[in-house]
Amino acid sequence: KAGVTQTPRYLIKTRGQQVTLSCSPISGHRSVSWYQQTPGQGLQFLFEYFSETQRNKGNFPGRFSGRQFSNSRSEMNVSTLELGDSALYLCASMSGYSGTQGVEQFFGPGTRLTVL
Amino acid sequence: KQEVTQIPAALSVPEGENLVLNCSFTDSAIYNLQWFRQDPGKGLTSLLLIQSSQREQTSGRLNASLDKSSGRSTLYIAASQPGDSATYLCAVKGGGSYIPTFGRGTSLIVHP
Repeated sequence: KAGVTQTPRYLIKTRGQQVTLSCSPISGHRSVSWYQQTPGQGLQFLFEYFSETQRNKGNFPGRFSGRQFSNSRSEMNVSTLELGDSALYLCASMSGYSGTQGVEQFFGPGTRLTVL
Repeated sequence: KQEVTQIPAALSVPEGENLVLNCSFTDSAIYNLQWFRQDPGKGLTSLLLIQSSQREQTSGRLNASLDKSSGRSTLYIAASQPGDSATYLCAVKGGGSYIPTFGRGTSLIVHP
């Protein structure tokens, strides 16, 4: 069974640009969560999508948005990039919604975003 | 709000040692706790998932225990190897939220 895939693996952008990251969950998994990881803040939750609906949202500005498609693939968009957005963006896949008992998270390799 | 602390932040041990990593959480009303390892610049690899009703889980040389009343989980690694070198994170789901709260991790180096 293929794991969680994320594309691209590396990105370099300049301030003010926008970026779209993609995540394909494990086959059969319907939940995708996004996290931002930085040395200063650690792992911070961005949002969770389940069956094309955003179920939970973290404490990030509106410049961070996402969506999920009918095949469970998810995209995350960051508009008007700032230097502080440089981070490793991780996607996690689960078989069920986060509120379901016993669901385990499986992470992708991440997308390393550098904002210059 | 759930807070998760991992001590120590860094650990360096010789190969072959048995070691214990700690994860503490402030709200004992948890749903589950999951241990991960992360290699530098990479994603997280799931190691063990302990449900709220369980006391421990084992996988190979790894054993994780959970004590909700004291707000603690430990990850025991037996006969450590250089390949175990990584950062180990725990994630706690609970305390009124289905969103896991992650600790900052323990950076482990096992030297030959």
